[in-house]
Amino acid sequence: QVQLQESGPGLVKPSQTLSLTCTVSGGSISSGSYYWSWIRQPAGKGLEWIGRIYTSGSTNYNPSLKSRVTISVDTSKNQFSLKLSSVTAADTAVYYCAREYYYGSGVDYWGQGTLVTVSS
Amino acid sequence: ETTLTQSPAFMSATPGDKVNISCKASQDIDDDMNWYQQKPGEAAIFIIQEATTLVPGIPPRFSGSGYGTDFTLTINNIESEDAAYYFCLQHDNFPLTFGGGTKVEIK
Repeated sequence: QVQLQESGPGLVKPSQTLSLTCTVSGGSISSGSYYWSWIRQPAGKGLEWIGRIYTSGSTNYNPSLKSRVTISVDTSKNQFSLKLSSVTAADTAVYYCAREYYYGSGVDYWGQGTLVTVSS
Repeated sequence: ETTLTQSPAFMSATPGDKVNISCKASQDIDDDMNWYQQKPGEAAIFIIQEATTLVPGIPPRFSGSGYGTDFTLTINNIESEDAAYYFCLQHDNFPLTFGGGTKVEIK
């Protein structure tokens, strides 16, 4: 059973960079059948897909966040990471990492999420 | 970008009830619709794929229907353990988008 676990600071100051890591267990991040994705949910709002990375390092980002997002992968540690720059209070949200089918069909496994608050 | 309009946002049900949750897409997405269940503090669970296919291990009281723009998640004979947040996801086009979610309470 694949498990994903988010980690990183729960508090980030405005204008700084939010950094999170997702550790994958129960399966290899180098599997060619999946993307590795980040999704977020602000309090009281719906989910927003942030972006994804393939094991090769190829990325896709949501156009609404593309200018501020970087997703990277470390196959030696079975981890992938999210960086979101120039954060504001609007970036306060629960951030989820997830596994997404490479050949379509959406997300199959999710992490439990981690709350990141942007505040001075 | 495809907008998913999910309803209702909240519902209260009694054990044994049949519950329907709707997800309407702003454009045709074929059957590229998934449904998920999430309980507080836990990872979301994948329950319906490709609009109608029950994910292995999910109880058969859960079912999905629909195609194109209108989709429904149905829970038959709802049980207390089904109290959760449910949401839909479309994977037909980029970027992936989600419905606003439905909180289901069991009386």
